[in-house]
Amino acid sequence: DQQVKQNSPSLSVQEGRISILNCDYTNSMFDYFLWYKKYPAEGPTFLISISSIKDKNEDGRFTVFLNKSAKHLSLHIVPSQPGDSAVYFCAARSQTGANNLFFGTGTRLTVIP
Amino acid sequence: EAQVTQNPRYLITVTGKKLTVTCSQNMNHEYMSWYRQDPGLGLRQIYYSMNVEVTDKGDVPEGYKVSRKEKRNFPLILESPSPNQTSLYFCASRWRGRTDTQYFGPGTRLTVL
Repeated sequence: DQQVKQNSPSLSVQEGRISILNCDYTNSMFDYFLWYKKYPAEGPTFLISISSIKDKNEDGRFTVFLNKSAKHLSLHIVPSQPGDSAVYFCAARSQTGANNLFFGTGTRLTVIP
Repeated sequence: EAQVTQNPRYLITVTGKKLTVTCSQNMNHEYMSWYRQDPGLGLRQIYYSMNVEVTDKGDVPEGYKVSRKEKRNFPLILESPSPNQTSLYFCASRWRGRTDTQYFGPGTRLTVL
């Protein structure tokens, strides 16, 4: 059973516009959420994270929003750049299972120049 | 340069022929883990290790073995590979307690015929 879901397998956005990637989760014990970025033939790299005690975290062009009541988080990229084209994975960590990250299935973002 | 290396990067083998995928990190991380990535399922943890000689099962350990004899190395062993183990495998390492700074290797694409 997939505890972290990314329902959009792909997203295309014009350069300079906002990219919004969504993620839903089912486990209310998740207390820490992360976004990873993956280029072809490379491993995922950490992008940004948020603790469940916050509802927003910002790092440059990247902002993650957390809505605990809806069990939903989103990653905003503003402005989008062609170099942002990659697969983005949402991940979550449980309070009780801190040794494991649960990953979503990924969203492929294409930023069109 | 801080990195996680995996070998081989690509492997095609036949059912039942034992194989080992090596993983090595140069950051003196205590924690190492193996994931597999499959279409529609995201990344799932196979095994993890908190330190030398300390290993434990992740979500999908069946058919795999690991060992942690040295801090830097964490090989993944498939004693009798089967076609359902055809997948993209990632090794990862991090400091204990620092989920956000998990470093991933470049991946090993395994095909079992």
